Amino acid sequence: EVQLLESGGGLVQPGGSLRLSCVASGFTFSSYAMGWVRQAPGKGLEWVSSISAGGPNTYYADSVKGRFTISRDNSKNTLSLQMNSLRAEDTAVYYCAKTFRLPGGPSLDINAFDFWGQGTMLTVSS
Amino acid sequence: DIQMTQSPSSLSASVGDRLTITCRASQGISNYLAWYQQKPGKVPKLLIYTASTLQSGVPSRFSGSGSGTDFTLTISSLQPEDVATYYCQKYNSAPPAFGQGTKVEIK
Repeated sequence: EVQLLESGGGLVQPGGSLRLSCVASGFTFSSYAMGWVRQAPGKGLEWVSSISAGGPNTYYADSVKGRFTISRDNSKNTLSLQMNSLRAEDTAVYYCAKTFRLPGGPSLDINAFDFWGQGTMLTVSS
Repeated sequence: DIQMTQSPSSLSASVGDRLTITCRASQGISNYLAWYQQKPGKVPKLLIYTASTLQSGVPSRFSGSGSGTDFTLTISSLQPEDVATYYCQKYNSAPPAFGQGTKVEIK
């Protein structure tokens, strides 16, 4: 059974930093691109960042480029999101998500997400 | 960047009704389109990928169609458990943008 367990959310002051983690299990983590998607309270889904299966390729939404860094440790089945220079508008639930992959097909860096974690809440406020 | 626009933003229908949600891309995306269902307080769930392929375990009353810039999600017979917000997402290239969502309620 695929499981994605996020941690690291909390209350941070504007300008502060925080690191989110997502521990994956139930699938071959190193074979799938992964991503982070956020949802502000009462709002829709917003893609934040993605990383390729092997890790060299990273992608960011314009709203977080230069402030957030996605990374992964395939030896520990862990996805991370380092968030710096946080703003009030970064307040949201952050979901870790696994990309979809057809059986026998390639791992595409950008793809639909077929499994989502339960999310971790980040609040940026003074 | 390609923008995804859903319509309507919300709708109310009766149990058993057929309903259709539209998603339009500002540029062609071939069939690189997914649909998600997010029930209140729950995590998004993948319903459809490649515009029309039903994800395993999704009821057959859900269907998707379209290619290029115009896509639809159809629920053939609305059930009470279908109350949710539905999102489209394009994934032909970065950024894999989501539509703004369509909230479905029971009349």
